[in-house]
Amino acid sequence: DSGVTQTPKHLITATGQRVTLRCSPRSGDLSVYWYQQSLDQGLQFLIQYYNGEERAKGNILERFSAQQFPDLHSELNLSSLELGDSALYFCASTPGTHQETQYFGPGTRLLVL
Amino acid sequence: EDQVTQSPEALRLQEGESSSLNCSYTVSGLRGLFWYRQDPGKGPEFLFTLYSAGEEKEKERLKATLTKKESFLHITAPKPEDSATYLCAVQAGDSNSGYALNFGKGTSLLVTP
Repeated sequence: DSGVTQTPKHLITATGQRVTLRCSPRSGDLSVYWYQQSLDQGLQFLIQYYNGEERAKGNILERFSAQQFPDLHSELNLSSLELGDSALYFCASTPGTHQETQYFGPGTRLLVL
Repeated sequence: EDQVTQSPEALRLQEGESSSLNCSYTVSGLRGLFWYRQDPGKGPEFLFTLYSAGEEKEKERLKATLTKKESFLHITAPKPEDSATYLCAVQAGDSNSGYALNFGKGTSLLVTP
């Protein structure tokens, strides 16, 4: 158990809908990273938050957004969902913003029908 | 652009048959190279971090090594419970661009009794 929690575990929705994925980092960690894992692309970095502020952006679509709250949990919002958004979504956390080891949560499996 | 290539894509071993997984990378300004283990439908589980060429780390039947262009994950006398996908990731970047991980597509290892 990495100490990172994610909810829900599974999510099934329809195209065009909007969903919110939630991540709670390890106790004391201030940074949260979001990744998407699909069969053909592997694990791809989406976005990083540190202590409530956006720090880095990767291959995140404009339909996707994220935020980190004062209690340090983070939410990833996916809107206007398409079939191709079906994937596993992981968050990872680190204590700070430096090159520390990232510990991953169990993921949310999203299926868009 | 940073690239991480893992080989082979899939590997089948008999229990006790030692082998190596390869991770070759091109990155400017390597901060660290990470190995993770991922079981189906689960989050990546941290194994090792290597920071400089010549560095080696060991954990039970696994040993990771690093050169300037590649890393190897050696598996000695594997057991069926070592069956998993092994992911390699490089960390570059700086305090402005962040330290997201760039993952390879993984090696799927199956160890048969």
